[in-house]
Order: sequence, then C-alpha cells, then structure tokens
Amino acid sequence: KQEVTQIPAALSVPEGENLVLNCSFTDSAIYNLQWFRQDPGKGLTSLLLIQSSQREQTSGRLNASLDKSSGRSTLYIAASQPGDSATYLCAVNDYKLSFGAGTTVTVRA
Amino acid sequence: SAVISQKPSRDICQRGTSLTIQCQVDSQVTMMFWYRQQPGQSLTLIATANQGSEATYESGFVIDKFPISRPNLTFSTLTVSNMSPEDSSIYLCSVDGGINTGELFFGEGSRLTVL
Repeated sequence: KQEVTQIPAALSVPEGENLVLNCSFTDSAIYNLQWFRQDPGKGLTSLLLIQSSQREQTSGRLNASLDKSSGRSTLYIAASQPGDSATYLCAVNDYKLSFGAGTTVTVRA
Repeated sequence: SAVISQKPSRDICQRGTSLTIQCQVDSQVTMMFWYRQQPGQSLTLIATANQGSEATYESGFVIDKFPISRPNLTFSTLTVSNMSPEDSSIYLCSVDGGINTGELFFGEGSRLTVL
C-alpha cells in the first residue's frame, strides 16, 4: 500500500521568503504526482502535475521536482506572499490516488 | 481542465437523516470520484463512479451508507445515509480532466455538519 508523507506539517515564514515543501512516497512505481492547494473549508486547486517520466514542472513562482528512485517530490514557491497561505497537498497516482496529510503554510506580512 | 460544481456547498443536518450531494461537470468524463475529508485529515476515496455501471467502493465504505448515482457523463450524486456526527466532513467530487495525463480536478466541496 502506498504511503505518502509530507514534512513539515506546518510552516510559518515572513513574506518574501522562499518555501520548500517536501513529499515522500513508499512505492516508486507511480503514474504521476500532483500538487494541490486547499484553502480552509474549500476544495482542492490543482497546482502542478508531474508525469513519472518527468523530473520537474514549473508554473510561475512554483516549481515541483520529482525523484522517483528515492520516492521524493519537492514543491518550491519563490518569493512567498500572504496569499500563498493555505494547505498544500501532495497526491501520488499509482492508478489509485494516495494523498499526504498536507503542509499548512502561513506567510506573514 | 474541468469545471466542477457541487451542491450544497455546506449544510447542517440532524442525526438519522440523509443528504444528497450533487456534482456537475462542464464536460463529459468517464470516471468521477467521491472523496471524504474528515476534520483535520487528508482525503480518503469513497468510491469511483462510472456511467452506466455500479460504483466501485473502497474498503470501509458501503453502498447502503453512501449510495451513488451516475446517470450520464456530466453528473453524479452521492447520498450520505442515516447520518451520525462521525459523518461530519467535507465531501469532494473529482474528475480526471486531463486527456491521457491523469490530472485530477476537484469541486469546491460540500461541508456537512451533523448534529
């Protein structure tokens, strides 16, 4: 059974600092990995999708890397803003989606 | 991408009652997924709904408690039956919106509180 772990569980940074969010998974035979953002009490917004054959994906200030062999993905958010405050979820797809518990980010103005 | 609308967005329900959540997608999709997110926890898949066939339930979820309908390629409902306070959660509808990419898109969720 796929186990997905996200560290840290919570993170508080001053505005402008770069964010580094980690996701690890136990079974490297994955189809893809997806990062989501969730605001309190809301649904999930897809941020980045990385296929198993890719090493990284970028969208604006966001960059996600994938190292299948070591079972790790990292989400980088450059120059954080208060609007980036949310919970970030990593989901690993091995033909069934397994979610991590998330990292709750607070960006202080 | 896919745009997903869920109704209701939130509701407060009495113990023992049932509530049906609707999920409408702006395009035809093969599979729709229903997830539950209990307070402070991550998402758990309840079932996968294919049009024209019975939904496939994950371990720990049964059709009598969470009946699902999938009448066409753009719509699905999830009913939470005989609710108890333990059913208080956010229920989320999801679709595979990416052509051959496997990217998932989610609705805004339905937040249920059972008293």
